Amino acid sequence: QVQLRESGPGLLKPSQTLSLTCSVSGGSISGGGYHFGWIRQHPGKGLEWIANIYYTGSTYYNPSLKSRVTISLDTSKKQFSLKLTSVTAADTAVYYCARVYWGLYFDYWGQGTLVTVSS
Amino acid sequence: QSALTQPPSVSGSPGQSVTISCTGTSSDVGSYSRVSWYQQTPGTAPRVMIYEVTKRPSGVPDRFSGSKSGNTASLTISGLQTEDEADYYCSLYTSSSTWVFGGGTKLTVL
Repeated sequence: QVQLRESGPGLLKPSQTLSLTCSVSGGSISGGGYHFGWIRQHPGKGLEWIANIYYTGSTYYNPSLKSRVTISLDTSKKQFSLKLTSVTAADTAVYYCARVYWGLYFDYWGQGTLVTVSS
Repeated sequence: QSALTQPPSVSGSPGQSVTISCTGTSSDVGSYSRVSWYQQTPGTAPRVMIYEVTKRPSGVPDRFSGSKSGNTASLTISGLQTEDEADYYCSLYTSSSTWVFGGGTKLTVL
C-alpha cells in the first residue's frame, strides 16, 4: 500500500521560507508512470495546486506561485520536497503531498500538514 | 490559469440523484478529457471518484458517474446516501502539464 507523509515546521514567521518534505513508502518514486505534487488548502477554502515533479526531474508550477516555489525530488531517499519563499499570512494552509497516476489523477495523498504563518 | 467554476452547494435527499457541474472554457474543459473529481470529508485528504471524465477507479461505487458536454463536466451521484455528504472538487490536467481545481461544491444530504 502506497503511503505519503508530509513533514516540516508547522509555524513560520512572515518572510521566512516554508520547507516541507513528503516521504513515500510502499511504492516506487522513480520509473515511468508517476509524478508527484503539492496541493494546498486554505482554511475553509478549496484546493489549490502548487507544483508537480516528474521522476525525470521535470517540474511544473502554478503560474501564480511560480516565482516563490521550488519542488525537488530525492529518489535515493524516496522523498520529494517543497520550498516556498517569502511567506505571508496568505500562505497559511494545509499542505498535501500527492502522487499522480499516469498524468490522470491524484491517486494517493498524504494526510496533510497545517502550516501557519504568523508573527 | 483560472479556476474551474462549480456551484457552491447542492443538496438532495437519500435515494435521489444530484449533479454537480464544473464549467471551464473551450480551451480547457472543452478541449481535454483529463477531468477528475475528488470527494473530501472534513479533516481528511481528497479521494478521487472519477477520472478522464467518466472512469471510476477501483473501489468507487457505481452510483458515481461523470460526463461532459461542451465546456462543462458533471459529476452525478445516484441513489444518494448520507455518507456521500462531503465537498466535491473537479480538476483538470491542462495542456501545459499544470493542474487546476474547481472552487468546490458542498453536498448536503437532507
